[in-house]
Amino acid sequence: GAGVSQSPRYKVAKRGQDVALRCDPISGHVSLFWYQQALGQGPEFLTYFQNEAQLDKSGLPSDRFFAERPEGSVSTLKIQRTQQEDSAVYLCASSLSLSSADTQYFGPGTRLTVL
Amino acid sequence: DQQVKQNSPSLSVQEGRISILNCDYTNSMFDYFLWYKKYPAEGPTFLISISSIKDKNEDGRFTVFLNKSAKHLSLHIVPSQPGDSAVYFCAASARRGSGSEKLVFGKGTKLTVNP
Repeated sequence: GAGVSQSPRYKVAKRGQDVALRCDPISGHVSLFWYQQALGQGPEFLTYFQNEAQLDKSGLPSDRFFAERPEGSVSTLKIQRTQQEDSAVYLCASSLSLSSADTQYFGPGTRLTVL
Repeated sequence: DQQVKQNSPSLSVQEGRISILNCDYTNSMFDYFLWYKKYPAEGPTFLISISSIKDKNEDGRFTVFLNKSAKHLSLHIVPSQPGDSAVYFCAASARRGSGSEKLVFGKGTKLTVNP
């Protein structure tokens, strides 16, 4: 079956540009997560949705980062006025529900390079 | 302050031998632990998990051990195969009452299995 997909796979932006990263979760998955992975590090949590509700955005590094999931399916992570420190791989993950043992399944990520 | 630590950046083993990857955590609220495997240019792939009510979980060649008193878990791969060569991430979550199932990751251990 189809897994989590993300687009674009690679994005190069000039400093100051706005970017939008898309995530298509596994069909029927209620929960959706965004993580940021810097080079040589593990993924770090950014934000979390249950259906269309954004329940936790404590990991967003600044107000330049914004995420939405308006219909409870596809999600978009938007970064305004990109800075060089935003260069990283952005990973999306989805899980079936909020029950106690649901595994998060990850997409391939979007590698963002800010010049 | 790193809540999940993988102190060995790399590990090299011979094909057919046991691989042991270690992970330590500091947050006593963590109650669910997972191991993910990651190949280059791909997203993390779920491998195996364990709840804090257990001390061992086995799936084929993979076994995860949890020592809550020591706040330590380990992943055993027996026998190791060249296809197991990847970066392995330990992750943890605090599900009880947190309202969020975000994962906290270690920095990863690069496993190389030599033929």
